[in-house]
Amino acid sequence: NAGVTQTPKFQVLKTGQSMTLQCAQDMNHNSMYWYRQDPGMGLRLIYYSASEGTTDKGEVPNGYNVSRLNKREFSLRLESAAPSQTSVYFCASSTKTGGFYGYTFGSGTRLTVV
Amino acid sequence: DAKTTQPPSMDCAEGRAANLPCNHSTISGNEYVYWYRQIHSQGPQYIIHGLKNNETNEMASLIITEDRKSSTLILPHATLRDTAVYYCIVAPSSGTYKYIFGTGTRLKVLA
Repeated sequence: NAGVTQTPKFQVLKTGQSMTLQCAQDMNHNSMYWYRQDPGMGLRLIYYSASEGTTDKGEVPNGYNVSRLNKREFSLRLESAAPSQTSVYFCASSTKTGGFYGYTFGSGTRLTVV
Repeated sequence: DAKTTQPPSMDCAEGRAANLPCNHSTISGNEYVYWYRQIHSQGPQYIIHGLKNNETNEMASLIITEDRKSSTLILPHATLRDTAVYYCIVAPSSGTYKYIFGTGTRLKVLA
């Protein structure tokens, strides 16, 4: 099915370890986003990419890096994981074409840092 | 900070209409009102959006006041599967939409 695919779905890291969260969309969307959601909270924007080759910081970028590998893929990297980064991470994509201006979200990556 | 204000929680009887309010008194002329919902811990799901006219689709209706400072999402016949957190978001109609999520309204549909 068309949509946004995130891998892995679950991950446990030790403090100081690094990892990359992968996101891919097959809807030919121009813009992609990474959000995090802490328990009982709304989503907070980490980084976004308006188009291939561009990335910008969101509300909470510290401790993260991103790569827009191509139009389909947008990865999020934690260089040195900290317990404060325990969260659910959502990737999303959007486009202005076709008369629809909303986001399509992935199913999330549940990350625990111990 | 989120540009919208929503009640933290609401209950609705199954089969009745659920009316979810949202205040967005600082909305700009080029900003749309979007509604999403999040069931359990799944990714948020788009419901509906509008600029100034009332909108209806297969999921819901959106009523926007004439001054555009508030809106109401209406689920006409709520079911247990509509239990979710509902987010109201305002965002511009052009460019990249950096949604700012608030904490939303937790709707519980009661049997």
